[in-house]
Amino acid sequence: DTAVSQTPKYLVTQMGNDKSIKCEQNLGHDTMYWYKQDSKKFLKIMFSYNNKELIINETVPNRFSPKSPDKAHLNLHINSLELGDSAVYFCASSHRSYEQYFGPGTRLTVT
Amino acid sequence: KQEVTQIPAALSVPEGENLVLNCSFTDSAIYNLQWFRQDPGKGLTSLLLIQSSQREQTSGRLNASLDKSSGRSTLYIAASQPGDSATYLCAAGGNEKLTFGTGTRLTIIP
Repeated sequence: DTAVSQTPKYLVTQMGNDKSIKCEQNLGHDTMYWYKQDSKKFLKIMFSYNNKELIINETVPNRFSPKSPDKAHLNLHINSLELGDSAVYFCASSHRSYEQYFGPGTRLTVT
Repeated sequence: KQEVTQIPAALSVPEGENLVLNCSFTDSAIYNLQWFRQDPGKGLTSLLLIQSSQREQTSGRLNASLDKSSGRSTLYIAASQPGDSATYLCAAGGNEKLTFGTGTRLTIIP
């Protein structure tokens, strides 16, 4: 039933570690996104993929590397985690530029 | 660069009242305008999507309007209920991404 799912829902880790967040959509959409919501609740685009091809990389540090193995999946790998990476990360999908559907979010806490 | 603003940042109204949430954007070259609801600690729920060629969309007690020329959108909520309490976000769609406003935190007082 779940349209856009993310795992894990919560992630607590120490500085310097490497972690991954997975995202899957079963809506048949061709475009997937990663957004970051900071401590002030502001949401900002990080990456956008269309048919497994990177469309947008919004000045995100190289420590963040998205990977899209197929159109239904967009994973986010983060190297050398920093305190400032603590945030809620949302995955979303859409058919081209139409309505975007969001996952439940992954709350990342870096200690 | 697209900038989206929502004013006020917070709004409290008594139950049963009608209310309007405002959203303004700087670049009128948008594909669509999407309104979301976010409950504390939760994800985003899409409420309404207005395509750039449309003027308004309605869903139940919600009505969203779009005026591209003035860079404004409004979300009208009729007969507000305590369950409407949440943060409402508008987002301008363009260039393969959504640009979000900072949100309006709505509290409906029983």
